[in-house]
Amino acid sequence: GNSVTQMEGPVTLSEEAFLTINCTYTATGYPSLFWYVQYPGEGLQLLLKATKADDKGSNKGFEATYRKETTSFHLEKGSVQVSDSAVYFCALRDTGANSKLTFGKGITLSVRP
Amino acid sequence: SAVISQKPSRDICQRGTSLTIQCQVDSQVTMMFWYRQQPGQSLTLIATANQGSEATYESGFVIDKFPISRPNLTFSTLTVSNMSPEDSSIYLCSTSEGNTGELFFGEGSRLTVL
Repeated sequence: GNSVTQMEGPVTLSEEAFLTINCTYTATGYPSLFWYVQYPGEGLQLLLKATKADDKGSNKGFEATYRKETTSFHLEKGSVQVSDSAVYFCALRDTGANSKLTFGKGITLSVRP
Repeated sequence: SAVISQKPSRDICQRGTSLTIQCQVDSQVTMMFWYRQQPGQSLTLIATANQGSEATYESGFVIDKFPISRPNLTFSTLTVSNMSPEDSSIYLCSTSEGNTGELFFGEGSRLTVL
C-alpha cells in the first residue's frame, strides 16, 4: 500500500535559517505529491504540490521537487520566518478518481526570532 | 478553490454521548472525506462520502461508531457515537476539486471527551 515517511521532529530554527524537511514515499502507481501546512489554530492548507516526476512545486518561498529515483519530496526554504512556525504534512494521492490522500505524521517547525 | 465550513468548531462532551459534526461546502462536489487527527498524530481517513450512496469506511472504522450522511452535493454530517476519551480528536471534512488531486479542508472540529 501507499505510505509517506517524514523525518522526526520537532524542528526549531532561528529566523533566516535554511530549512529542509525530508519526505519519502512508497506508492504502487504514479502519485501526486503534496505539502500541507497547519498554522496554529487553523485548518490544513495546501502549501505546494507536484504531479509528476521532476516537477517542482513552489509557494511562499518554499520548494519541493518530485524525485522519482529517490522517491522523495523534500521541502526546502532558504530563509525561514517566525510566521512559518506551523505543522507540515507531506502527502500523496495515487492516480484514479477514487484515490485517497495518504499523509505523513507531520512535523512541527518552530522559528525563533 | 472550495470553501468548507464545519461546526461545531469545538466541543466538550461527556462519555457515552454522541455528537454530530456538520460540513458545508460552497460548491457542489462529488466526494467528501472525513478525517481524524488524534493529538500529536497525522490525519487518518475515516470514510469517503458520496451523495446518494453509503459511505465507504476505512479499515478500523465502522458505520455504527461513525455514521455519515450525505443528503446532497454540498453537505455532509459525521456522528461520533457513544463517545469515549479515546475519541478526543480533531475531525476534519475535506473535498477535492477537479482532477488535480488537491484536497481542501475545513478548519476542523476539536472534540474533547471527558
